[in-house]
Amino acid sequence: AQKITQTQPGMFVQEKEAVTLDCTYDTSDQSYGLFWYKQPSSGEMIFLIYQGSYDEQNATEGRYSLNFQKARKSANLVISASQLGDSAMYFCATGSARQLTFGSGTQLTVLP
Amino acid sequence: EPEVTQTPSHQVTQMGQEVILRCVPISNHLYFYWYRQILGQKVEFLVSFYNNEISEKSEIFDDQFSVERPDGSNFTLKIRSTKLEDSAMYFCASSPPLDQPQHFGDGTRLSIL
Repeated sequence: AQKITQTQPGMFVQEKEAVTLDCTYDTSDQSYGLFWYKQPSSGEMIFLIYQGSYDEQNATEGRYSLNFQKARKSANLVISASQLGDSAMYFCATGSARQLTFGSGTQLTVLP
Repeated sequence: EPEVTQTPSHQVTQMGQEVILRCVPISNHLYFYWYRQILGQKVEFLVSFYNNEISEKSEIFDDQFSVERPDGSNFTLKIRSTKLEDSAMYFCASSPPLDQPQHFGDGTRLSIL
């Protein structure tokens, strides 16, 4: 069984500042992935970043980085230099090639 | 960059009717998925498909639902005898062979009247 917990229903950040979106997970799988997706108000799901459970280095993709702490079962997303276009819902997910389990999401609003 | 394509973008159907949602996954991907997102809620897994058969399915994916890969490019979700509570955004996704990210289509918004 897998579970994702996102404890921040809403977050605000000033443009050009960094923001951290929290995610904790629980899984019985030995090997698993951690994923972050962005969902703008238009509704599509955009893949942002992936971390494998056996990856020793934290994943980075441009302005996105994943702060992976396996012992604490956390996989927080860090967005640096926030832009107005970053305003969206952000979902953390865990899973494998068979299925993904999503959290309830964090609505991020970037303020000018 | 290759992408997952879903049609139609919006489907309106009378309760009790059958609906087919269509998806064209990324061409070199081998795993295919359907997810559902009821308005304002989290994304929920429905089914995964690999090697022309269902790999995993959730409790939501009951006898009302079926999936098919009728040819080498399309992947469909059929919902029989639709109910009001089937109204949701339905996402198709695909992924390469290994435990790699799933790439989502833009979704089909299904409205049952």
